[in-house]
Amino acid sequence: EPEVTQTPSHQVTQMGQEVILRCVPISNHLYFYWYRQILGQKVEFLVSFYNNEISEKSEIFDDQFSVERPDGSNFTLKIRSTKLEDSAMYFCASSAFETQYFGPGTRLLVL
Amino acid sequence: ILNVEQSPQSLHVQEGDSTNFTCSFPSSNFYALHWYRWETAKSPEALFVMTLNGDEKKKGRISATLNTKEGYSYLYIKGSQPEDSATYLCAFNVQSSNDYKLSFGAGTTVTVRA
Repeated sequence: EPEVTQTPSHQVTQMGQEVILRCVPISNHLYFYWYRQILGQKVEFLVSFYNNEISEKSEIFDDQFSVERPDGSNFTLKIRSTKLEDSAMYFCASSAFETQYFGPGTRLLVL
Repeated sequence: ILNVEQSPQSLHVQEGDSTNFTCSFPSSNFYALHWYRWETAKSPEALFVMTLNGDEKKKGRISATLNTKEGYSYLYIKGSQPEDSATYLCAFNVQSSNDYKLSFGAGTTVTVRA
């Protein structure tokens, strides 16, 4: 059964460093999403991507964040200058319609 | 920000017992209500997506109902087994022409004791 994959599973970085989180969505899906969950809080929406452009972004998704679909299969989330409060589990999801399929997440720890 | 609330936050169930828990969501601009099952270190797994008032969905021993007029959904687990231990997330779509982004509740963590 097709699944969404994410790499790395864990990443530790220093504050101010750039990180790139990678996702391979399900191949025939058209909608792509990033969510995150800060420990002890709800899963929250970051950004959605459709037709090679951002379709919606949350208030969290400021200029430090960017997304890209560089090669037709990968979907990446870049954080340019990480802050302590960016520490969270980051989930990628993809969908053909309303049902979203999630990857296992990348746990990011910013020190 | 759409407020999706789940209750209770956690519950402990004896193996073989049945249980249920709730999700409440804004009833305006409703599009769909989703239930996910999430085990630690795994991907959240889609259980149900429901769109119509009065919808009932079933998957094995797990079922869900939907009331869009009053803005709530119940998830039921019949005859709980240890493998049902997980966090159950509900999530809500609004009508949007852009995409299907989800607003999540905080989850109900179910622990089934053998």
